Amino acid sequence: AQKITQTQPGMFVQEKEAVTLDCTYDTSDPSYGLFWYKQPSSGEMIFLIYQGSYDQQNATEGRYSLNFQKARKSANLVISASQLGDSAMYFCAMRPIIQGAQKLVFGQGTRLTINP
Amino acid sequence: EADIYQTPRYLVIGTGKKITLECSQTMGHDKMYWYQQDPGMELHLIHYSYGVNSTEKGDLSSESTVSRIRTEHFPLTLESARPSHTSQYLCASSGPGGYSYNEQFFGPGTRLTVL
Repeated sequence: AQKITQTQPGMFVQEKEAVTLDCTYDTSDPSYGLFWYKQPSSGEMIFLIYQGSYDQQNATEGRYSLNFQKARKSANLVISASQLGDSAMYFCAMRPIIQGAQKLVFGQGTRLTINP
Repeated sequence: EADIYQTPRYLVIGTGKKITLECSQTMGHDKMYWYQQDPGMELHLIHYSYGVNSTEKGDLSSESTVSRIRTEHFPLTLESARPSHTSQYLCASSGPGGYSYNEQFFGPGTRLTVL
C-alpha cells in the first residue's frame, strides 16, 4: 500500500520569499512517480511537477523544484520567489510505475498563503 | 490547457433525487477517474476506467455508479442523493503507458450540495 504524508496543514510566507512544502511517502513498489498539484480556491487541480524514483536529477519546472531524497522517502516542493497567485492548496501524490497502473494516492494537502 | 469538462459546476438538490454528473475529455485519453473531495481535504479515488466498457471501484467506497460507453465520456450517477453525498467531485483523465509519467489532467469539478 502507498501512503503520502503532508505534515503542514498551513503555511504563511511573505511575498518573494522561497517556500518549501513537505511531503513524505511510503511504498513497497520498486519504481514509482511523485507528483505535485496546485488547487486554487476555484477548485481545479493544476499539475506542477513530476519526479520519477529512478531519475538521477531533481525535477525543476520554472519556479518549482522538487527536493527528492529517496533514502528519506521525501519529495519536498520548493517554490522560489513566491507570488500572491501562489496562494492555494498544494497536494503531493504518488503512483507505482508499472504497466497499467495509473491510480494516484494523494496526501492531505498544505494550504499556502502568500502575504504581500 | 487540459480539455476536460465537467457539468454542472454547481448543483444544489434535494434528498432522494437522481443525479448525473457529466465528464468529457477531448484528449483521446483511455484512462479516466472520479475523485471525491471534501473542502480543504485530500482527494479520494471513487471510480476509474482504463477504457471503454471498463470500470472499477476506487479506494473509497461510494454509492455512486459510473459508465464508460464512449472513450471521451465518463458520467457519474447517484440514484438517490443524500446529504452525506455533499462534496466536490473531480474528474480526471490520463494518457496511455504506465511506464511514462502521464500526469492526470483534471476537470474544474462539480460542487454538489444535497439538502
